[in-house]
Amino acid sequence: GAGVSQSPSNKVTEKGKDVELRCDPISGHTALYWYRQRLGQGLEFLIYFQGNSAPDKSGLPSDRFSAERTGESVSTLTIQRTQQEDSAVYLCASSPGTAQETQYFGPGTRLLVL
Amino acid sequence: DQQVKQNSPSLSVQEGRISILNCDYTNSMFDYFLWYKKYPAEGPTFLISISSIKDKNEDGRFTVFLNKSAKHLSLHIVPSQPGDSAVYFCAAMDLGSGTYKYIFGTGTRLKVLA
Repeated sequence: GAGVSQSPSNKVTEKGKDVELRCDPISGHTALYWYRQRLGQGLEFLIYFQGNSAPDKSGLPSDRFSAERTGESVSTLTIQRTQQEDSAVYLCASSPGTAQETQYFGPGTRLLVL
Repeated sequence: DQQVKQNSPSLSVQEGRISILNCDYTNSMFDYFLWYKKYPAEGPTFLISISSIKDKNEDGRFTVFLNKSAKHLSLHIVPSQPGDSAVYFCAAMDLGSGTYKYIFGTGTRLKVLA
């Protein structure tokens, strides 16, 4: 089927506003990951889901960041009270679920906080 | 604490020559490694992987070498082609951790000159 999709592809928001980023993983993939890539930097792990549960939330930068996943499918990453340092590309990836399975990445959401 | 390091932010290679991209890690528990390639405005795509039980894995023009004692891996591309120009990320995981958390390096931008 289709690959990982993310929406919106681009988002410009004002400082202090909340944003929601959406990820549609590949159908049947039980593992889902969120990463952030700031300008000129590498991929920064944020959170991953196994099914609808998030066993590892250690990468979330602050309590302004939260994520959920429903139906072992769609995931939403929410950033509350956005700050300029939140500007980055947010990438979602999914994998079938076993640890050695490679991750398939979406195209990312480019977030710009003014 | 950067557990996976790619110390060369960029590399330029002439078409037809060998490209060697390097990656160092600090966590001796890492036992599974991958390389991803990323074009601008796209998500990373899986390239090649290697388990710690091997010291070499080859797939066409791409070969990954693992030196466990040095905690070092490298990706060789032979011969390099202009279409290989992209950012390359290495990633590592501890399969025994029970999590699915990949740690990514900061990336190396490869430019293959025609």
